[in-house]
Amino acid sequence: SQQGEEDPQALSIQEGENATMNCSYKTSINNLQWYRQNSGRGLVHLILIRSNEREKHSGRLRVTLDTSKKSSSLLITASRAADTASYFCATDAGLHSGGSNYKLTFGKGTLLTVNP
Amino acid sequence: NAGVTQTPKFQVLKTGQSMTLQCAQDMNHEYMSWYRQDPGMGLRLIHYSVGAGITDQGEVPNGYNVSRSTTEDFPLRLLSAAPSQTSVYFCASSEPRGVVGKNIQYFGAGTRLSVL
Repeated sequence: SQQGEEDPQALSIQEGENATMNCSYKTSINNLQWYRQNSGRGLVHLILIRSNEREKHSGRLRVTLDTSKKSSSLLITASRAADTASYFCATDAGLHSGGSNYKLTFGKGTLLTVNP
Repeated sequence: NAGVTQTPKFQVLKTGQSMTLQCAQDMNHEYMSWYRQDPGMGLRLIHYSVGAGITDQGEVPNGYNVSRSTTEDFPLRLLSAAPSQTSVYFCASSEPRGVVGKNIQYFGAGTRLSVL
């Protein structure tokens, strides 16, 4: 079953605007990761946030994590046409939730379209 | 450094045929996994391996076999292809979280399989 669920399923914005995507999950986690997938390509890791962190930045990306609500958000600021892609959250349940040191569970993704 | 290499990129099979999807990584990663990606379903884990000689089932293992004779290679075998196996298949590899503190997965470019 899916651990992470992204919201919205699809998002269309104009270049220069900010894009916010949300992820909800069900069980305790060790960390949460966001990945990007360009059309016809494999997934590429963007950013990881650990369960004891609340916010993390990387360039134009900002990720927040609220473990009490079991949710995360990915903000892309000043979006560009090249940001058009699908974005997935992936949760690492960790050993204490019957997981492992390796496995990630991916959500269904948010398709972001940035119009020039 | 090639990363994760998948072959072939495209394949068309007839129902009942068998084939092997190849996956190789040159990063000396312990963990390797196979996912299938279907519209609206996100990524679903088929099989995974935590090291040479060790494999285990994921969420949707039926109709697929794997083996891990070396650290580098993790082939996925379709025993008797069915139309329901039409999908895009991704191979990924990573280090365990305990080694580097984060289990970031590196993905291949995918194999697009159609079963007629």
